[in-house]
Amino acid sequence: ETGVTQSPTHLIKTRGQQVTLRCSSQSGHNTVSWYQQALGQGPQFIFQYYREEENGRGNFPPRFSGLQFPNYSSELNVNALELDDSALYLCASSPGQGLSGNTIYFGEGSWLTVV
Amino acid sequence: QKEVEQDPGPLSVPEGAIVSLNCTYSNSAFQYFMWYRQYSRKGPELLMYTYSSGNKEDGRFTAQVDKSSKYISLFIRDSQPSDSATYLCATNPVGAGSYQLTFGKGTKLSVIP
Repeated sequence: ETGVTQSPTHLIKTRGQQVTLRCSSQSGHNTVSWYQQALGQGPQFIFQYYREEENGRGNFPPRFSGLQFPNYSSELNVNALELDDSALYLCASSPGQGLSGNTIYFGEGSWLTVV
Repeated sequence: QKEVEQDPGPLSVPEGAIVSLNCTYSNSAFQYFMWYRQYSRKGPELLMYTYSSGNKEDGRFTAQVDKSSKYISLFIRDSQPSDSATYLCATNPVGAGSYQLTFGKGTKLSVIP
């Protein structure tokens, strides 16, 4: 158990719709990052939030957006869903702001299927 | 060239075998190296975490980093059927101030009883 919880665990959406995925981070962790893992691939970094500010972004279009709340929980929003957005979306929480002396712990993920 | 290359396998070994999993990376500036284990339809679980070069051992698992050849390895001794999973290597292309990790594709391991 990593203490990182995600919801929903599975969902199906239609192309063009919007989706919101939620993450509750481990107690004491003020950094949240989101990853997308397509079938048969390793996770790909979407973005990172530290103390409610986005402070790092991977190669994903602006229709992928996020929020971090004062209690450090987080949301990932994806607009105008495309079929290729079908994937496992992973939330990871971490203490502090970087890897020096720290590491990241993943939740179980949210499986998104776009039809 | 991708930042992290990993042979996706699949790799099948008999119970009790020594397993060697490997990745190569492209940038000698990478400092942090991780191995995650991922069971089917679950989130990745951190197995080993090393900084810079050298070996790190934890029970049946040994992580090795060779910065001169940009090669990272995970060895599993006395492999068990419960070790059957996908193993992902990861490193940090951005630097210590970020949790942005780059992962390999993962190697699917099956340990046959």
